[in-house]
Amino acid sequence: AQKVTQAQTEISVVEKEDVTLDCVYETRDTTYYLFWYKQPPSGELVFLIRRNSFDEQNEISGRYSWNFQKSTSSFNFTITASQVVDSAVYFCALSEAGWGGSQGNLIFGKGTKLSVKP
Amino acid sequence: GAVVSQHPSWVICKSGTSVKIECRSLDFQATTMFWYRQFPKQSLMLMATSNEGSKATYEQGVEKDKFLINHASLTLSTLTVTSAHPEDSSFYICSARDPSGLATGELFFGEGSRLTVL
Repeated sequence: AQKVTQAQTEISVVEKEDVTLDCVYETRDTTYYLFWYKQPPSGELVFLIRRNSFDEQNEISGRYSWNFQKSTSSFNFTITASQVVDSAVYFCALSEAGWGGSQGNLIFGKGTKLSVKP
Repeated sequence: GAVVSQHPSWVICKSGTSVKIECRSLDFQATTMFWYRQFPKQSLMLMATSNEGSKATYEQGVEKDKFLINHASLTLSTLTVTSAHPEDSSFYICSARDPSGLATGELFFGEGSRLTVL
């Protein structure tokens, strides 16, 4: 069965600190996709990144970086020099690559609430 | 980029009434849409998969007679919460798959609809 675990329920940091949000996933599929979304208090899901299972290259986008390790089934997200505007709930999610039925929907972790204090 | 729009963004209703939430794909035709539900401080849970021109597929534990889903066109899926009760108060989010993005697992989320049942 597919499962996404975000062990950190809440994290609080001071502005300019680096912070890493952990994500561990379980799947029997060899082809799958991993996602990170940001959910600010307004509720809308903001897409951050999508990574397919064949691409283990780490990615950096500005202050954001992602570390995908298939050997440990982890897809961790790091924010460097955090800012108050980064405060939100962050969700890691997993999707099968198939089509039809429930395939293709996202399995979400429980989310990590990040609070960045000035 | 592709946009998925939900309406209304928030609604307050009396217990026993029915509420309809619309999910529209604005830039593409979506044969499949997904409806998620998010309780306060909880993760997103898939409720059902909406298939254009056919019956929706509901996840285990979701009452299909209470949460009516209609996907009558390639750009519109509706979720009707029938005879709403306070325990139905939640944040409902839809997502749609862009068929051209099938190979890449591209999913787009609506802004969400916050339902409060008094």
